[in-house]
Amino acid sequence: SQKIEQNSEALNIQEGKTATLTCNYTNYSPAYLQWYRQDPGRGPVFLLLIRENEKEKRKERLKVTFDTTLKQSLFHITASQPADSATYLCARASGDDKIIFGKGTRLHILP
Amino acid sequence: DTAVSQTPKYLVTQMGNDKSIKCEQNLGHDTMYWYKQDSKKFLKIMFSYNNKELIINETVPNRFSPKSPDKAHLNLHINSLELGDSAVYFCASSLDIRQGRNEKLFFGSGTQLSVL
Repeated sequence: SQKIEQNSEALNIQEGKTATLTCNYTNYSPAYLQWYRQDPGRGPVFLLLIRENEKEKRKERLKVTFDTTLKQSLFHITASQPADSATYLCARASGDDKIIFGKGTRLHILP
Repeated sequence: DTAVSQTPKYLVTQMGNDKSIKCEQNLGHDTMYWYKQDSKKFLKIMFSYNNKELIINETVPNRFSPKSPDKAHLNLHINSLELGDSAVYFCASSLDIRQGRNEKLFFGSGTQLSVL
């Protein structure tokens, strides 16, 4: 079965530094990977999607990469701010009309 | 204007009771979903409907019965509630999954169910 793993449960980063979150998947490469942000008491909010044939995607201070050799996606937040503190979820299409999620990484940006 | 709205926000009930959670989306999407997020924050798909048709039933107990009266609504009814049902339930919607257009999900704000 398709799996998606986010190995870090929590990550503390100093304000102003770049936060890097990791997402690994098993078996075949999905057509795309997605990243969502979830704040306490709220539903996940879509941030970025990167397709299998794309190496990198950017949106403002966010950057996502997709490495099909390593079976990995990296999610970067540059010039991090305390307001970036949240849980970040990686998701993939499983190939049978499902989108499955990793367990998320809780990011804390320390002032 | 809330895109995906679900009610109630909080639901506290006794074991053995039957309860329902309602979800509505005003995005014009064809596909709607129910996800369960447990105490460890793991988000797991339960059901999805495309234009009122059930397309995913992810080995969820029969006590859970989704109903989609139209493509803008997907309700979740739970019979004989058990302690283990305590979790946050999220409704979501997307463009038509059958056309390969389900590229991003829009989530409601969740229903926190506590079974005592």
